[in-house]
Amino acid sequence: DGGITQSPKYLFRKEGQNVTLSCEQNLNHDAMYWYRQDPGQGLRLIYYSQIVNDFQKGDIAEGYSVSREKKESFPLTVTSAQKNPTAFYLCASSIGAGGPADTQYFGPGTRLTVL
Amino acid sequence: GNSVTQMEGPVTLSEEAFLTINCTYTATGYPSLFWYVQYPGEGLQLLLKATKADDKGSNKGFEATYRKETTSFHLEKGSVQVSDSAVYFCALSGIENFNKFYFGSGTKLNVKP
Repeated sequence: DGGITQSPKYLFRKEGQNVTLSCEQNLNHDAMYWYRQDPGQGLRLIYYSQIVNDFQKGDIAEGYSVSREKKESFPLTVTSAQKNPTAFYLCASSIGAGGPADTQYFGPGTRLTVL
Repeated sequence: GNSVTQMEGPVTLSEEAFLTINCTYTATGYPSLFWYVQYPGEGLQLLLKATKADDKGSNKGFEATYRKETTSFHLEKGSVQVSDSAVYFCALSGIENFNKFYFGSGTKLNVKP
């Protein structure tokens, strides 16, 4: 089955530690995205990548970093510089062809809690 | 700039009631419009989409029509079920960069038996 996987589903981290969230897709999509969702709120874009070895900052990139070394993988690192990292993190992907019907498909999410 | 505004929730309905969740947008040109649904603790699932004015997207009894004249994409369902309880997000993809999506804040729907 094609889809997007995120791991782990729940993640706990101590304050001051970096942590990496995994996102893998087997849809052969070029574009991948990371969003943050806080309780009762919408999605905010952290980073996105339209092609391997290239990525752009979204609206709330401070305190986060990404890499895109392979087409199918787009890991997100939450650094100790992120002041309020407790949130639900969603990864998405799309064909990335730039057409009007380019739809984003989402993974199941990772809930990060800082202790 | 691009933005999406959804009606505040929660919306509470009885089973078999008619549902409308309002969504209006601001964008230049003709963006594509989407509705996503999120069940508790899960990611977003695409519910329906429309890519040009007057298009109607539909899926699982839900439908929404792309209205350019009123810049709206309201979600409707004729008879809701308890299983429709979830959070619904309206979104658009901007014409200047189709890869970037703009999401509304979400509307929580509670359906009571």
